[in-house]
Amino acid sequence: GQSLEQPSEVTAVEGAIVQINCTYQTSGFYGLSWYQQHDGGAPTFLSYNALDGLEETGRFSSFLSRSDSYGYLLLQELQMKDSASYFCAVLFYNTDKLIFGTGTRLQVFP
Amino acid sequence: EAGVAQSPRYKIIEKRQSVAFWCNPISGHATLYWYQQILGQGPKLLIQFQNNGVVDDSQLPKDRFSAERLKGVDSTLKIQPAKLEDSAVYLCASERDRVTDTQYFGPGTRLTVL
Repeated sequence: GQSLEQPSEVTAVEGAIVQINCTYQTSGFYGLSWYQQHDGGAPTFLSYNALDGLEETGRFSSFLSRSDSYGYLLLQELQMKDSASYFCAVLFYNTDKLIFGTGTRLQVFP
Repeated sequence: EAGVAQSPRYKIIEKRQSVAFWCNPISGHATLYWYQQILGQGPKLLIQFQNNGVVDDSQLPKDRFSAERLKGVDSTLKIQPAKLEDSAVYLCASERDRVTDTQYFGPGTRLTVL
């Protein structure tokens, strides 16, 4: 089936670096996206990897390795406002449908 | 540019009642999606429209859920009759940026079925 697994929760302190992993058991997708969702808010787009390797956008970076069926989101210089849920998502060739991962709740402490 | 609008933001109903949600996508966006997000889970696609035609409704429980997008702009999602397990946030999203596969989400409607 098509599934994307993430750790359910990650905690860290302000200023730290945290990595949120996304492993999948599927193939045939355009790329891996990451979305951020604050409590009570809508998911908002963070980054996208079409190709293997690292994409950097400010404090956030995202990585994809299709051969390892694995990706991650790296958050640096953590701030309290980064406390949110983070979802990886892929768009599959065969269904043209965006499938979201299980989600990771990040809690940043002072 | 105005974002995706949804209403109402919150709705509380009793089981077996009916409810409808409304979505106005970003102007000019041809593709519109409805997602169901149960607490603690990722969004699950219910239905996808391209203009006023349905592209994918394979995950829509058609015995109780219906959706329409008559003029290719606004859309409504209806549940009739509601069940306890329908308690969730219903998210509307519009257009996918083909370059980055970005979807733009509305604030959602939080439905509680008692």
